[in-house]
Amino acid sequence: EVQLVESGGGLVQPGGSLRLSCAASGFTFSSYAMSWVRQAPGKGLEWVSGITSGSGGSTYYADSVKGRFTISRDNSKNTLYLQMNSLRGEETAVYYCAKDFLSSPYAFDIWGQGTMVTVSS
Amino acid sequence: QPVVTQPPSVSGAPGQRVTISCTGSSSNIGAGYDVHWYQQPPGTAPKLLIYGNSNRPSGVPDRFSGSKSATSASLAISGLQAEDEADYYCQSYDSSLSAWVFGGGTKLTVL
Repeated sequence: EVQLVESGGGLVQPGGSLRLSCAASGFTFSSYAMSWVRQAPGKGLEWVSGITSGSGGSTYYADSVKGRFTISRDNSKNTLYLQMNSLRGEETAVYYCAKDFLSSPYAFDIWGQGTMVTVSS
Repeated sequence: QPVVTQPPSVSGAPGQRVTISCTGSSSNIGAGYDVHWYQQPPGTAPKLLIYGNSNRPSGVPDRFSGSKSATSASLAISGLQAEDEADYYCQSYDSSLSAWVFGGGTKLTVL
């Protein structure tokens, strides 16, 4: 069964850091692009960051997180990461890990259940 | 404000047909980038419904169909069922932003 399981969410103070993980199973992880998508409470979906397939994947970021967030992947562990620094209150959201159809970001065919990040003092 | 816009809500009775529009611009849909659609029932993760403008992943009923023209796209749902009640999002790529973008979402209510 193809599955994505996120972890690492929680409560963090404004300006703090958090590292999210996404464990993949049931498919050849290294062959596909991966992305992080977030959803603030009661709001719509927002693409955050993406990484192409392979070991030296190209990375992409939404302007709102550029310079503060870092996406990475460990193909030996079938795991995707999102390092989030200098977090802001408006970034409180459910963060979803999503598998792409292709080797570069295109359309997201498998989604995890999400992990909640709360930025508050 | 999302760069691709959707109506906030649509509704229809069981058995009816509804359409949801997704309007973009020359830097996204109008530039030739594909449009994809997702369904998100309350409290669940999104699910891919249509990819590449009009293609259905395996397991998605043929009641769902997608189309694209110029700077817009549409999702049509025929034979409405109670289980179709959900939020629906379109998604594409925007070259001005160099980012993958979602529409603001449309809440479908089955009357």
